[in-house]
Amino acid sequence: EAQVTQNPRYLITVTGKKLTVTCSQNMNHEYMSWYRQDPGLGLRQIYYSMNVEVTDKGDVPEGYKVSRKEKRNFPLILESPSPNQTSLYFCASKMEGGNTGELFFGEGSRLTVL
Amino acid sequence: AQKVTQAQTEISVVEKEDVTLDCVYETRDTTYYLFWYKQPPSGELVFLIRRNSFDEQNEISGRYSWNFQKSTSSFNFTITASQVVDSAVYFCALSELFNTGGFKTIFGAGTRLFVKA
Repeated sequence: EAQVTQNPRYLITVTGKKLTVTCSQNMNHEYMSWYRQDPGLGLRQIYYSMNVEVTDKGDVPEGYKVSRKEKRNFPLILESPSPNQTSLYFCASKMEGGNTGELFFGEGSRLTVL
Repeated sequence: AQKVTQAQTEISVVEKEDVTLDCVYETRDTTYYLFWYKQPPSGELVFLIRRNSFDEQNEISGRYSWNFQKSTSSFNFTITASQVVDSAVYFCALSELFNTGGFKTIFGAGTRLFVKA
């Protein structure tokens, strides 16, 4: 089954404790992206990757890191989480780097930073 | 600048009513794509439709229909004879291609639709 898998789905952590949210897709998609969803703000892009070893900042990259060492994986790293990073996070992928196709989303990861 | 506005934060209707969700976008590009996604209470994001900037034909899929008007930069979504299962947050999105080959998809703030039995 074609899917985007995120882990963990739910996480409560404390300020400053490094964490990684993993994202893996099995569709051989070139493009992957991370979004955060906050009430009243919709989805805002954090980082995206056009292909392996190619990443770039989205609209809200502060406090986040990403890497794309393999095509299928695109982990989101919070080196020193803060309460304002409490949010619902979505990983997404699409078939090609162009803007023609729709995004396939993971199920979301709800992060709470105390 | 690229922007998507969904002015309706929440809409509440009674089952079987028709409802239209508005989406207005801003872009400098002539080539772009518009999307609608649905987020039911379970939280996942479900793709509904894609429309490119050169195709202004309206589309109907069952009880769903979309009206794309470039003249008003709008891509509105209508649900006919709404059902309780239509209760969800609906997001409109715009995707543009950069000269560098990259692209960006931005989302509106979403419209929460409540359909009451």
